[in-house]
Amino acid sequence: AQSVTQPDIHITVSEGASLELRCNYSYGATPYLFWYVQSPGQGLQLLLKYFSGDTLVQGIKGFEAEFKRSQSSFNLRKPSVHWSDAAEYFCAVGARTGGFKTIFGAGTRLFVKA
Amino acid sequence: EAGVAQSPRYKIIEKRQSVAFWCNPISGHATLYWYQQILGQGPKLLIQFQNNGVVDDSQLPKDRFSAERLKGVDSTLKIQPAKLEDSAVYLCASSPIQDPKEYFGPGTRLTVT
Repeated sequence: AQSVTQPDIHITVSEGASLELRCNYSYGATPYLFWYVQSPGQGLQLLLKYFSGDTLVQGIKGFEAEFKRSQSSFNLRKPSVHWSDAAEYFCAVGARTGGFKTIFGAGTRLFVKA
Repeated sequence: EAGVAQSPRYKIIEKRQSVAFWCNPISGHATLYWYQQILGQGPKLLIQFQNNGVVDDSQLPKDRFSAERLKGVDSTLKIQPAKLEDSAVYLCASSPIQDPKEYFGPGTRLTVT
């Protein structure tokens, strides 16, 4: 069965420091992978996606993620965190089941300290 | 283009009452999804439509939840009767047919007291 694991429930980083959020997935075929961000009271915003091709994908707001098939991982990175990046981050895998459906991880809450 | 619209944005009801949520997907999107997001968790798919047919409703609690997508456009999700554990944000998303990228609406926050 398809699943997504985000090992860190919450992470705290200092403003200006680098960030890496971990994501591991379980899926039998080539996955479609996503990272979403959700600020309090807001909807889900797509940061970036991987469908095929270059395994290092660039997204909005300075985020990037790297697909590593051998490790079944799709970790999200940002070189320098801003206070406005504090939010909940969700990794997701798109599974083909007739149509497509998206399976989300439990999320990682990012706290940014001054 | 206009995004996915949902209403109401907030709803407070007492347990055992009924409630309905409405979703209008992006024009032309054949696939529509309803998710339940309980506080502190990731969204969980409740039901997926392709046009007006159900593709996946395996995680829909069918004893109390129902959904329809008449004419393959708008959709309504109903809970009857509501329980305390139904308190959550209900997200609607849509996508073009056979496209894995989903577009999410702002959600409806339901509080059951």
